[in-house]
Amino acid sequence: AQKVTQAQTEISVVEKEDVTLDCVYETRDTTYYLFWYKQPPSGELVFLIRRNSFDEQNEISGRYSWNFQKSTSSFNFTITASQVVDSAVYFCALMSPGAGGTSYGKLTFGQGTILTVHP
Amino acid sequence: DSGVTQTPKHLITATGQRVTLRCSPRSGDLSVYWYQQSLDQGLQFLIQYYNGEERAKGNILERFSAQQFPDLHSELNLSSLELGDSALYFCASSVGLAGEGEQYFGPGTRLTVT
Repeated sequence: AQKVTQAQTEISVVEKEDVTLDCVYETRDTTYYLFWYKQPPSGELVFLIRRNSFDEQNEISGRYSWNFQKSTSSFNFTITASQVVDSAVYFCALMSPGAGGTSYGKLTFGQGTILTVHP
Repeated sequence: DSGVTQTPKHLITATGQRVTLRCSPRSGDLSVYWYQQSLDQGLQFLIQYYNGEERAKGNILERFSAQQFPDLHSELNLSSLELGDSALYFCASSVGLAGEGEQYFGPGTRLTVT
């Protein structure tokens, strides 16, 4: 079975601080995909990044960076120099095929981390 | 704007009623997914259609059904509604069948059952 755990329910920081959101996943599949989505107060889900299980290179996009470590089944997300506009709920998600490939397409989400950035 | 549209934005109805939520995928996307977001269950996958065919099923209740039409838009039908069905329902779309492409989400339909 697939599972995603985001142990941090809420994080509160002051603007310009760096913040890391943790994500740990479980799957028996060797091929899978990991995602991060942002849900701002307006409610929509915004895609941030997708990584496949064979690509362990860390990725940086502006103030965002992602650290994928297969050995610890973690896919952590860091925001550098946080801003008030980063305040949102962040979801980590896993897509893996499951037995017979029947779960392909299905995103399994973590419970989300509420990030509040104070001015 | 993700390019995925959902209507209506809000829906308020009574227990026992039936509603239909509609989703239009991004241009060129063949897969449509439905998710439910509630306070107690979080974000849960309901069902996926690819080019008109059902491809994957999650924790979708028997009272719920979906379909994808030839023009690729999709509808999620919820019947015999209960208070616990109150949630935000998202539709997402992607180019491929599975992990080839990321899923882009619509703005959601907020359903309130009273």
